[in-house]
Amino acid sequence: KNQVEQSPQSLIILEGKNCTLQCNYTVSPFSNLRWYKQDTGRGPVSLTIMTFSENTKSNGRYTATLDADTKQSSLHITASQLSDSASYICVVSAYGYGNKLVFGAGTILRVKS
Amino acid sequence: DVKVTQSSRYLVKRTGEKVFLECVQDMDHENMFWYRQDPGLGLRLIYFSYDVKMKEKGDIPEGYSVSREKKERFSLILESASTNQTSMYLCASRGDRGSYEQYFGPGTRLTVT
Repeated sequence: KNQVEQSPQSLIILEGKNCTLQCNYTVSPFSNLRWYKQDTGRGPVSLTIMTFSENTKSNGRYTATLDADTKQSSLHITASQLSDSASYICVVSAYGYGNKLVFGAGTILRVKS
Repeated sequence: DVKVTQSSRYLVKRTGEKVFLECVQDMDHENMFWYRQDPGLGLRLIYFSYDVKMKEKGDIPEGYSVSREKKERFSLILESASTNQTSMYLCASRGDRGSYEQYFGPGTRLTVT
């Protein structure tokens, strides 16, 4: 069964600190993996998209890594800011009709001052 | 910038009412999607469309229907709203089948009482 598991479910960190969010997946055949940021009451916004051949991709203070062998990904946030408070969703796309997306439940991050 | 808009941010309806959720995208995208998002669950696909007047069932189509009469507009219809359809509804669009990026609207929070 195609699944995406994220950990932790929620996280509280102090402003300025770093954090790492985890994503494990069993989606097959793998096409690409994305990380989205979703602010409260808003739609998700794409942070990074990685294909099978990419190990790491950065977007400002966000760095995503992918290990296609172990089917794991992480999202590292550097020097966190209050505006980083959001839900972070890992999404894996499978090859096939419609490039079906499988969504994780998300990690809720709260950055406090 | 791609813009996906949804007709309402918040909606309150009574059980048994017919409900229309509208979504419009301005990037001439072929593909449009309707998801629902519930706490602790990942986004779940209700219906999607690859072209005008074309629709495909997603993972949870029961109790919903859709309409795509024009390329830019994709409507989700709840024929007879029920309390278990209280949820956040997200519309998304994507370019041709080779494109990975999926753009989300701001969401409609529907409450059925």
